[in-house]
Amino acid sequence: AQSVTQPDIHITVSEGASLELRCNYSYGATPYLFWYVQSPGQGLQLLLKYFSGDTLVQGIKGFEAEFKRSQSSFNLRKPSVHWSDAAEYFCAVGASTGNQFYFGTGTSLTVIP
Amino acid sequence: DAGITQSPRHKVTETGTPVTLRCHQTENHRYMYWYRQDPGHGLRLIHYSYGVKDTDKGEVSDGYSVSRSKTEDFLLTLESATSSQTSVYFCAISDSAGGNEQFFGPGTRLTVL
Repeated sequence: AQSVTQPDIHITVSEGASLELRCNYSYGATPYLFWYVQSPGQGLQLLLKYFSGDTLVQGIKGFEAEFKRSQSSFNLRKPSVHWSDAAEYFCAVGASTGNQFYFGTGTSLTVIP
Repeated sequence: DAGITQSPRHKVTETGTPVTLRCHQTENHRYMYWYRQDPGHGLRLIHYSYGVKDTDKGEVSDGYSVSRSKTEDFLLTLESATSSQTSVYFCAISDSAGGNEQFFGPGTRLTVL
C-alpha cells in the first residue's frame, strides 16, 4: 500500500536561513510525488510535482525538491526562507493508475525574525 | 486558481442532524474528491468520484455518503452527524487519475456539538 511519512511535525527556522522538509514514501513502482502548502485558514496550493525525468524539480515561490529513489525520499528545500513561508506543508504520493492520493501528516513551519 | 467553491464555508450543527456539503467546480474536471483534515492526520480521503454517478469509497468513508448528478457538483452528506465528524472538509478536483495533481477548494469548517 502507498503511504507517506513526514517525520517532522514542526520546524522553526530563522528568516534567511535554508530549509529542508523531509518526506519519505512507500510505493512499489515509480510514484508521482507532490508538495502542497497550506496557509492558515486556506486551502492547499501545489508547490511542485515530480512525474519522471530530472530528479530535481523546481516549483513556485523558490522551492525545489529532489527525488531520490534509493532513499524513497522527496525532500523539499528552499535556500533562503521568508517570513511569508510560514505555513503547513504536505507531501503527497499518487499512482500512475488508480484514483487516490495519499498525504503525509504535514510539517508546520514557523519562521522567526 | 482552479474554479472550485465550497458551501457552506462554516457550519455548526447538533449531533444526529443531517448535513450536506457542496462542492462546485467550473473546470469540467472528471475527478472530484472529498477529504477531511484533522490535526495529526493530515488529509484523509472520504469519497471520490470518477464521473457523473460514479463514486467510490476512500479511507474514512463510514458515516458519509456522496452524490454526483452532474459534472460540476459533488455533494457530501453526513446522514446523522456525530462529534467525531467535527473537522475541516476539503473538496479537490483533477482532470485525470491519481497520477495528476489535485486542485483544492477553500474548505468547510464543520462543528458538530
